[in-house]
Amino acid sequence: AQSVTQLGSHVSVSEGALVLLRCNYSSSVPPYLFWYVQYPNQGLQLLLKYTTGATLVKGINGFEAEFKKSETSFHLTKPSAHMSDAAEYFCAALSHGGSQGNLIFGKGTKLSVKP
Amino acid sequence: EPEVTQTPSHQVTQMGQEVILRCVPISNHLYFYWYRQILGQKVEFLVSFYNNEISEKSEIFDDQFSVERPDGSNFTLKIRSTKLEDSAMYFCASMTYEQYFGPGTRLTVT
Repeated sequence: AQSVTQLGSHVSVSEGALVLLRCNYSSSVPPYLFWYVQYPNQGLQLLLKYTTGATLVKGINGFEAEFKKSETSFHLTKPSAHMSDAAEYFCAALSHGGSQGNLIFGKGTKLSVKP
Repeated sequence: EPEVTQTPSHQVTQMGQEVILRCVPISNHLYFYWYRQILGQKVEFLVSFYNNEISEKSEIFDDQFSVERPDGSNFTLKIRSTKLEDSAMYFCASMTYEQYFGPGTRLTVT
């Protein structure tokens, strides 16, 4: 069965510092992978996704993620954190590797940004 | 920009009562989903719905749960007899090529 693991339930960085949120997946077939962000009292907003093709994907708000099959990872990065990046981030994999399956989520990582 | 909406934002109910959570998906989307997130835990898939029928459901989605699309726009999740452990945030999502999520309904069962 597929699973998604996010290392670190809480990450704190200083404004302007590198953001690195870790995500590993387990799957017998390469899955479609997603990062979602959740701001307080709001729904889940798609940051970026990997389906096929280029392994480095760029998303909104300056975030990017790299699919590394050999490491079964899909870590999220941003070169310079901004105060507005403070939110909870969820990594997810699409089950069955298809486009109509359900999403399997990691537990989430809460990002805090210090001034 | 079109968005998924959910009502109510917060529902408090007593154990054993029925609740209906409502969602309005994005209008041209074909696939609909319900997920839930118990406080402090991961977001979990409940059920997917396509062509007016359930296409997949998780083990969480037992006989106490049902979904329907009563009027071609709303998509509802009904819990027949709520339990304390049903307290969670419930998210609706709809999709053509990627899933768009609503803001969630926080269900509190007392």
